Amino acid sequence: DAGVTQSPTHLIKTRGQQVTLRCSPKSGHDTVSWYQQALGQGPQFIFQYYEEEERQRGNFPDRFSGHQFPNYSSELNVNALLLGDSALYLCASSRGEEAFFGQGTRLTVV
Amino acid sequence: GENVEQHPSTLSVQEGDSAVIKCTYSDSASNYFPWYKQELGKRPQLIIDIRSNVGEKKDQRIAVTLNKTAKHFSLHITETQPEDSAVYFCAASIWSGNTGKLIFGQGTTLQVKP
Repeated sequence: DAGVTQSPTHLIKTRGQQVTLRCSPKSGHDTVSWYQQALGQGPQFIFQYYEEEERQRGNFPDRFSGHQFPNYSSELNVNALLLGDSALYLCASSRGEEAFFGQGTRLTVV
Repeated sequence: GENVEQHPSTLSVQEGDSAVIKCTYSDSASNYFPWYKQELGKRPQLIIDIRSNVGEKKDQRIAVTLNKTAKHFSLHITETQPEDSAVYFCAASIWSGNTGKLIFGQGTTLQVKP
């Protein structure tokens, strides 16, 4: 079992650009959540997908959007990147309450 | 809004001593409380969790207690070892059906000195 995998591991983008991050959930998991973790902070909830629909959303602007595919994998899209979007983006998959995290994508906006 | 306060922010103990990290949550509807350990540059790893119908749970050297009335929960690590050094996060969640979001505390950096 490969666990939760995310790609890419690192990414550098310019302000105003768009980015897509990808997540493959742990085998048997059907729910995917995305979190943003700034340096020295706890992860902050962005949104959660279940049955290909966004089920819950945190306090993030519409520039953040996502998608879940029939195979339960998910994408996080961020438009019009700001310097403040630089962070570690974590994907977590679950089937029930227990959430398991991927290794994250380190996004740097310059 | 929902909030989780965690303290202390840093904790230094001698190897073999115990460590206690405390968290308080704001939403009384929260029903699931996991703890994660995050080593530098690595993913958060679930180390123990507790549900609102249980007051205490233990797994070897790690235990978690929950006081629903006071809305706080704590992580206890006994006989600490250098490999316990990491950042620990508490979280609270209102889990219903197939959905629930984790609200994390700010983290506690635990240093275990050999």
